[in-house]
Amino acid sequence: AQKITQTQPGMFVQEKEAVTLDCTYDTSDPSYGLFWYKQPSSGEMIFLIYQGSYDQQNATEGRYSLNFQKARKSANLVISASQLGDSAMYFCAMREPNAGNMLTFGGGTRLMVKP
Amino acid sequence: GEEVAQTPKHLVRGEGQKAKLYCAPIKGHSYVFWYQQVLKNEFKFLISFQNENVFDETGMPKERFSAKCLPNSPCSLEIQATKLEDSAVYFCASRNRGPGQPQHFGDGTRLSIL
Repeated sequence: AQKITQTQPGMFVQEKEAVTLDCTYDTSDPSYGLFWYKQPSSGEMIFLIYQGSYDQQNATEGRYSLNFQKARKSANLVISASQLGDSAMYFCAMREPNAGNMLTFGGGTRLMVKP
Repeated sequence: GEEVAQTPKHLVRGEGQKAKLYCAPIKGHSYVFWYQQVLKNEFKFLISFQNENVFDETGMPKERFSAKCLPNSPCSLEIQATKLEDSAVYFCASRNRGPGQPQHFGDGTRLSIL
């Protein structure tokens, strides 16, 4: 079974609007961390935001926020006020400390911001 | 340094040749990870180190892949007898200790096997 599922291969959003990128995960470990990374066309991986499984509040970092619904095992990324520079691939990833500490990635969502 | 530095940016090898990739993690980071990204989306974990010790090598195709992180030297990933399917971008990442610490990625090495 897939540990991290991103069901949207591609998304369009109008500049200045908000967009939600979906991520669901599967783990039996009570302690885990969820991360979102951005990969522009230039190829580098940019860390955006982190949510711990025990965190009570949804994480926020500037225009990025994480809609964490633990019971549904979802960790959707919300980008507010989209900018042209937000066009990129976005990857959701999970770290399970009891399973090696590596990141397990979803297949990514390509976001395209329209002017 | 403050960034993960990977060299070279691009590496071209003929099938059957050896390829060696290098990674200097962020100074002070205890953990180093190698990932393989194929076709711009799928990431595969290869190996991780805690300082110079192998922490997890469950993703490594051991018959041809090897990796080291020696003190005072860049970490390295070596592929012997390369195959066409080894063509990918190889990312190195490092992170500090602590549960919420993110992995910081280098810019990757694009390996092309001809």
